[in-house]
Amino acid sequence: EAGVAQSPRYKIIEKRQSVAFWCNPISGHATLYWYQQILGQGPKLLIQFQNNGVVDDSQLPKDRFSAERLKGVDSTLKIQPAKLEDSAVYLCASSRGGATDTQYFGPGTRLTVL
Amino acid sequence: AQSVAQPEDQVNVAEGNPLTVKCTYSVSGNPYLFWYVQYPNRGLQFLLKYITGDNLVKGSYGFEAEFNKSQTSFHLKKPSALVSDSALYFCAVRDLNTGGFKTIFGAGTRLFVKA
Repeated sequence: EAGVAQSPRYKIIEKRQSVAFWCNPISGHATLYWYQQILGQGPKLLIQFQNNGVVDDSQLPKDRFSAERLKGVDSTLKIQPAKLEDSAVYLCASSRGGATDTQYFGPGTRLTVL
Repeated sequence: AQSVAQPEDQVNVAEGNPLTVKCTYSVSGNPYLFWYVQYPNRGLQFLLKYITGDNLVKGSYGFEAEFNKSQTSFHLKKPSALVSDSALYFCAVRDLNTGGFKTIFGAGTRLFVKA
């Protein structure tokens, strides 16, 4: 079974530029998550999709971050414009979506904003 | 609100010795608890979870965790540490009070196993 795929693995941009990350979840997983992991901290949930609907985006900075999962499979997370404090690893995860289900993580995208 | 704490930033242990990585939690209702490991430049890998039943949960790579309801703890253990166990370990609790069953992660504990 293929795991969660993410691209790119690394991205360096200057502040005020825009950037997009892509995620393809494990086949059959209805729930997709985007997390932000700042150096020295645990992952923080940005947004959670159930199929193509948003379940939780309470911690997503909506003035600059956006995400979509149009066909209920892969997803894109965008930052526009980027700030220095957005430098982090962006992790995508997927699960079947139940309360006891395990989340499986992709390798992450390391973003550096200069 | 649900929360999880990992009181140690770093744990050092010699190869072959037992290791323990500590985790305490605060939840309303029954806790669903998880341990993940993160190697450099990698995503999080699932180790084990406690949902219900036996307080001793066995997981991947020889790891196990003990759920203690009275102490609200879920410590990760391994009888004999390997150098390759050196990594960042995260404890997590699932918040059943949110519609999406949000998972809340601790800050992580870095494990160093010395040869």
